[in-house]
Amino acid sequence: KAGVTQTPRYLIKTRGQQVTLSCSPISGHRSVSWYQQTPGQGLQFLFEYFSETQRNKGNFPGRFSGRQFSNSRSEMNVSTLELGDSALYLCASSLVGETLYNEQFFGPGTRLTVL
Amino acid sequence: ILNVEQSPQSLHVQEGDSTNFTCSFPSSNFYALHWYRWETAKSPEALFVMTLNGDEKKKGRISATLNTKEGYSYLYIKGSQPEDSATYLCAFGSNTNAGKSTFGDGTTLTVKP
Repeated sequence: KAGVTQTPRYLIKTRGQQVTLSCSPISGHRSVSWYQQTPGQGLQFLFEYFSETQRNKGNFPGRFSGRQFSNSRSEMNVSTLELGDSALYLCASSLVGETLYNEQFFGPGTRLTVL
Repeated sequence: ILNVEQSPQSLHVQEGDSTNFTCSFPSSNFYALHWYRWETAKSPEALFVMTLNGDEKKKGRISATLNTKEGYSYLYIKGSQPEDSATYLCAFGSNTNAGKSTFGDGTTLTVKP
């Protein structure tokens, strides 16, 4: 079974630009969560989508948004990029909802650098 | 803001040593605790999901215990091997923060041959 895939793996953008990251969950998984990891910080929860609906959201500004498609693939968008948005962005999928109880499978991440 | 702390921050042991580290979390409103192993250049890999006070989980040489009343979980590695070198993360879920796991900063283990 194919794992969680994320594209692109690396990305370089400049301040003020916007970026879209993509995540394809494991086949059959309906929940996709997004996390940000910056140097010196643990994984910070961005949001979770389940059946095309955002079910939970972390404490990030409105510049961070996402969506989920009917095939469970998810995209994350960051508008008006700032230097502090440089980070590793991970997505994770799980079979059903209630990710707190269920095992999450992580993708390899997208490394975003903002210049 | 939920405070999840892991200690130590890093650990260096010799091959064959047994080791353990700690994840501390709020003792109220416990929902679930996850342990992950994150090797360099790879994705985090789930080790255990723990949901009940007194839970003990084991996978090969790695085991974990859970005390929800005092708010901590221990991860044990018996007879460490170089391939155990990784960052070990815990993630706490509270029933007042459903759906949002709060991660600790991790313990980075280095096992020297």
